[in-house]
Amino acid sequence: GESVGLHLPTLSVQEGDNSIINCAYSNSASDYFIWYKQESGKGPQFIIDIRSNMDKRQGQRVTVLLNKTVKHLSLQIAATQPGDSAVYFCAENTGFQKLVFGTGTRLLVSP
Amino acid sequence: NAGVTQTPKFRVLKTGQSMTLLCAQDMNHEYMYWYRQDPGMGLRLIHYSVGEGTTAKGEVPDGYNVSRLKKQNFLLGLESAAPSQTSVYFCASTRWSVDNEQFFGPGTRLTVL
Repeated sequence: GESVGLHLPTLSVQEGDNSIINCAYSNSASDYFIWYKQESGKGPQFIIDIRSNMDKRQGQRVTVLLNKTVKHLSLQIAATQPGDSAVYFCAENTGFQKLVFGTGTRLLVSP
Repeated sequence: NAGVTQTPKFRVLKTGQSMTLLCAQDMNHEYMYWYRQDPGMGLRLIHYSVGEGTTAKGEVPDGYNVSRLKKQNFLLGLESAAPSQTSVYFCASTRWSVDNEQFFGPGTRLTVL
């Protein structure tokens, strides 16, 4: 069945470093893959998405890479800041914007 | 704009009790969703709606019912609460079918004893 999983449950970085959060997926039929950020006590917040026919997409300080050959998705955050500390989820759009979420990676940024 | 709001923020139920969670959005969004999030896990879709008067099942619909009588509101009902339904419930909405940005509410923390 469909599944979206993450390699690392917790990632600790220093402020100013670049962060890379990884995700594996199994449903090759998904049209879009999305990254969400969830701060403690809040609902998830959209970061960036990528269509399945793309390899890379850049946003403000973030880049998402999609490797369809190995069914791998990654989120790169440049110059990580303390405000980036949160749990990051990858998700795939299975139609009608129904999202299947991964289990999440906690990003801890220390000054 | 308030965005997506959820009522109540917290609730404690006894097994067998019923309750309704209310989600409201003021963005004129067509699509609305109910998710649950268990500790250390991602969100799982319970039910969703693609427009006023429509509802459909998601990944984990058992034990829940929903209604979308008005475009701006999406209600989630628990007819007979069970401890397994202890979770944080999130409502979300999005503009249309090609938009991946879902806007989430702040969540409702439900405990069933």
